[in-house]
Amino acid sequence: AQTVTQSQPEMSVQEAETVTLSCTYDTSESDYYLFWYKQPPSRQMILVIRQEAYKQQNATENRFSVNFQKAAKSFSLKISDSQLGDAAMYFCKAGNMLTFGGGTRLMVKP
Amino acid sequence: DVKVTQSSRYLVKRTGEKVFLECVQDMDHENMFWYRQDPGLGLRLIYFSYDVKMKEKGDIPEGYSVSREKKERFSLILESASTNQTSMYLCASSLESEQYFGPGTRLTVT
Repeated sequence: AQTVTQSQPEMSVQEAETVTLSCTYDTSESDYYLFWYKQPPSRQMILVIRQEAYKQQNATENRFSVNFQKAAKSFSLKISDSQLGDAAMYFCKAGNMLTFGGGTRLMVKP
Repeated sequence: DVKVTQSSRYLVKRTGEKVFLECVQDMDHENMFWYRQDPGLGLRLIYFSYDVKMKEKGDIPEGYSVSREKKERFSLILESASTNQTSMYLCASSLESEQYFGPGTRLTVT
């Protein structure tokens, strides 16, 4: 069975600091995408960043970057210079799996 | 921009009522999905559809059915609502593996 695991139900970070959210997955697909989604409180889920599994270079979107370790099937999200608006639930998803990780609630302390 | 809309943001229904949750997307996406989101359980897939009049069961289809008569519209039906179906319901659509989400419907069954 294909699974996605987020081992940190909650994380906390001080404003302006860096935080890393972890995600591991298990898939038999050979070519796939990985995604991190953000769901702010009472707001719509949006895509934060996407990584193509066949690319060795880690994706970066402004303050958001990933650390993709294909052999380890690990896909972590790093948020640099954390802002109050980063407080949200974060979900990861791998490839064509329709399963999301259980989510990580990120709190940002002013 | 892709837009996924859901018919209601908040809904209160009584036990035993038949409930319809509607989802419409405007980007001609083939694939549509219904998830429910509960604290501590993440997103769980209820049903999905890869084409008009086609449906597939997800991880938790019991107590639900779906309808996809037109490509842009995917309806979730609770035949006889029960209190354990109180939840946040998220609709999503996709062309490939990246999903676009609606704002969600918070359903309360009393």
